[in-house]
Amino acid sequence: DAGVIQSPRHEVTEMGQEVTLRCKPISGHNSLFWYRQTMMRGLELLIYFNNNVPIDDSGMPEDRFSAKMPNASFSTLKIQPSEPRDSAVYFCASSLPGHNSPLHFGNGTRLTVT
Amino acid sequence: DQQVKQNSPSLSVQEGRISILNCDYTNSMFDYFLWYKKYPAEGPTFLISISSIKDKNEDGRFTVFLNKSAKHLSLHIVPSQPGDSAVYFCAALESYVLIFGQGTELSVKP
Repeated sequence: DAGVIQSPRHEVTEMGQEVTLRCKPISGHNSLFWYRQTMMRGLELLIYFNNNVPIDDSGMPEDRFSAKMPNASFSTLKIQPSEPRDSAVYFCASSLPGHNSPLHFGNGTRLTVT
Repeated sequence: DQQVKQNSPSLSVQEGRISILNCDYTNSMFDYFLWYKKYPAEGPTFLISISSIKDKNEDGRFTVFLNKSAKHLSLHIVPSQPGDSAVYFCAALESYVLIFGQGTELSVKP
């Protein structure tokens, strides 16, 4: 089991550029989450997909952020245009069906917007 | 307003001794709690969980205690090992969302 795979591991971009973060969940997991970690706010949920359908995107900070899950094995988080305050570590996580199934996290993408 | 709080940003313990990490929550409707461990440059990994119908859950060197009346849970690591040095996150499950505390950085010194 390869675990949750995120790419890229690091992304440095200039303000105003488009950034796309990618995630491959664990096979068989039907729930996918995008979290963001910052010093100020800790780990906060951005969006949650269940069976490829976005269920809750209330954590997405602004319209500049969008996420898609075109199939069960791939999801993207896009920021357009990016701003310096978007600098953070972005984690993707997946879980099996079931209310109390633990989340399995990827190793994150560290985004720096200059 | 933080619903899950870890008031100690850091903790230092001698190898072989007990590590106690604390977590408080505000929402009495939370019914499932988890602890995650995070090493630098890695994602958080699941460690141990507890349902609100229990007050203790044990897994090897790790034990989680839940005090519902005080809205408090703690993670005990006995004996502590240098490899336990990491950031520990407490989390509460609300519907399908994990709400995380800010984390406590544990340092276990040889």
